Formats: sequence, C-alpha cells, structure tokens
Amino acid sequence: GAVVSQHPSRVICKSGTSVKIECRSLDFQATTMFWYRQFPKQSLMLMATSNEGSKATYEQGVEKDKFLINHASLTLSTLTVTSAHPEDSSFYICSAREYNGRATEAFFGQGTRLTVV
Amino acid sequence: QKEVEQNSGPLSVPEGAIASLNCTYSDRGSQSFFWYRQYSGKSPELIMFIYSNGDKEDGRFTAQLNKASQYVSLLIRDSQPSDSATYLCAVKTSGSRLTFGEGTQLTVNP
Repeated sequence: GAVVSQHPSRVICKSGTSVKIECRSLDFQATTMFWYRQFPKQSLMLMATSNEGSKATYEQGVEKDKFLINHASLTLSTLTVTSAHPEDSSFYICSAREYNGRATEAFFGQGTRLTVV
Repeated sequence: QKEVEQNSGPLSVPEGAIASLNCTYSDRGSQSFFWYRQYSGKSPELIMFIYSNGDKEDGRFTAQLNKASQYVSLLIRDSQPSDSATYLCAVKTSGSRLTFGEGTQLTVNP
C-alpha cells in the first residue's frame, strides 16, 4: 500500500514554544491530507482537511491560528502547533489520499506524540 | 446521535474463536466504509474497506455491509492474540473526510 511518513514520531517541548510536524506521501501524490488528534482512550478527531495549494478547512472548535497547516506541494503537509500548552499534549496523526483516485481510502502516517511540559 | 457508533467493549474472545465487531452510522448518504486496527501508541492501519451491500472477505477477515440497516460489521475468524487491538470503524460520506467511531477494544486470550 501507499506510504505516508510523519516526522517526528515523538517531541517534547516547553510551554509557549511552537512545534512543526511534517507529513509526506512517499510514493504517491496527495491532493488532500487530513490532520487528526487523538487523546488517550479516545477515537481520532479530525482537526482539519488540507488541500494542496489552498487554505485548510478546519473543524468546528479547532483554532486555525493555533494549528497552522501548510500544504505547499502534493507530497508534503505540515502542522505547526503554536504557543503550545500542556493541554495540547496529544497524539497527532496525518493521513493522505491518492491524487488519481485509484483508492479512496486514506493512508495514515505513523503519528506524532506531542508532550508539552 | 453520534455519526458513527461502536460498542466500546472491551470484547474478549478465546484464541481460535470468531470475533464480531459492529458499527452503525447515521448518514444514509454514506458511501464507503472502513475498518482500521490500532495498536496502543500506534497510528491506525487499514484492514478492509467495503462499498457494496453484502460480504467481503480477505483472509481471516470478513466485512459485512447492510445499507438499509445502516450497519457494518467485521468478523475475525480464528482469532489470534496478535489481533488484540482497538478496531475503528470509519465512514466516508460526501467529500473526502472520514468519520471515525470510538473504537472497540478487542482482547484475544491465549
């Protein structure tokens, strides 16, 4: 199957700093990438949908100025958590759909465990 | 009403038994249905997807879809301890987004 690489896998940062998470589709072009957040023992919650070359669409309750998403190319999307606080500590996961529609399922990255101290 | 509902479990079955995981969805316009497996601390991995009513088999896994009842299930035959994980049902309506259920925690006992 298609490969989506997410980096870093773990990050610890100080409160008030910013953290950037990268999501790359390695062997396909992804017009659409999704960013999820998952708290312990909860399901994935969609944060935003990112389309290449356009602004991301954020889900209700997600602060777009805090969670900056950039999807500058068909293979790379980034999520920047700005002015991170301990309550932002979570598991962040990206997923990507193939451009040519050969498969409608989305492939997930490995996830990023963010801990804000 | 939640868009996608699953029994949270935990569901416990003995090794070799059939594990049955259920999922209901609220949007009749839903088009595609997915089952993901998620091990603790890892991201979800796709097991199966199904678009049409009926059964779809892949190895030990069978997905069943009944659009009239808005119900999708996953059967795991000959369950193994390595199948112990949380199973997430996801539904795609219009557009690209997937809506996930809360997940069912499955434990297969040796």
